[in-house]
Amino acid sequence: DIQMTQSPSSLSAFVGDRVTITCRASQSITSSLNWYQQKPGKAPKLLIHAASSLQSGVPSRFSGSGSGTDFTLTISSLQPEDFATYYCQQTYSIPFTFGPGTKVD
Amino acid sequence: QLQLQESGPGLVKPSETLSLTCTVSGGTISSVSYYWGWIRQPPGKGLEWIGIIYYSGSSHYNPSLKSRVTISVDTSKNQFSLKLSSVTAADTAVYYCGRTFGDSNYFDYWGQGTLVTVSS
Repeated sequence: DIQMTQSPSSLSAFVGDRVTITCRASQSITSSLNWYQQKPGKAPKLLIHAASSLQSGVPSRFSGSGSGTDFTLTISSLQPEDFATYYCQQTYSIPFTFGPGTKVD
Repeated sequence: QLQLQESGPGLVKPSETLSLTCTVSGGTISSVSYYWGWIRQPPGKGLEWIGIIYYSGSSHYNPSLKSRVTISVDTSKNQFSLKLSSVTAADTAVYYCGRTFGDSNYFDYWGQGTLVTVSS
């Protein structure tokens, strides 16, 4: 299985801050990397697919970059509704594994 | 608007089989562009991919669960289902159904999730 790691595991930020979350794969996954946002008691919501493609309806303050093994999710200006846990997921090979999550509070 | 809804028992006894159904509305499960799948999340923990199925019945499973998992599809009812056999407390989780897009396999639509507790 491809192992996914995320850093940091949690971070504290303020409204208006630029936030960066890193995801690393144990082997190259080309650009087969997705980002989800999850709020307590809710299903995850797709933010970014294929490493850098913004899902329809997602605010443009969210962006993704990277390829191979190293990826980044950036929130350019944190909004109150962005406090949540963020997960990366590789869809390069089965099983399509998730990172352990990064909690933004 | 596409909607997915999980249904099934919220409590399952150890060693028994967990059975859940996902009903799709606002769209057809027989679309050539999508797979349909399951993900679970133990309380307070991260996400685990369980498997996906195409409307034709072609399926792919997480190898760690493959010996216990069956995902099936009923196009006449616009539903797909999950069966997980020989459950233990470690299978206690919120189970989500969802739609995955084509070859990219990301989940773009999700059900609300249903908590299944394994306990005697």
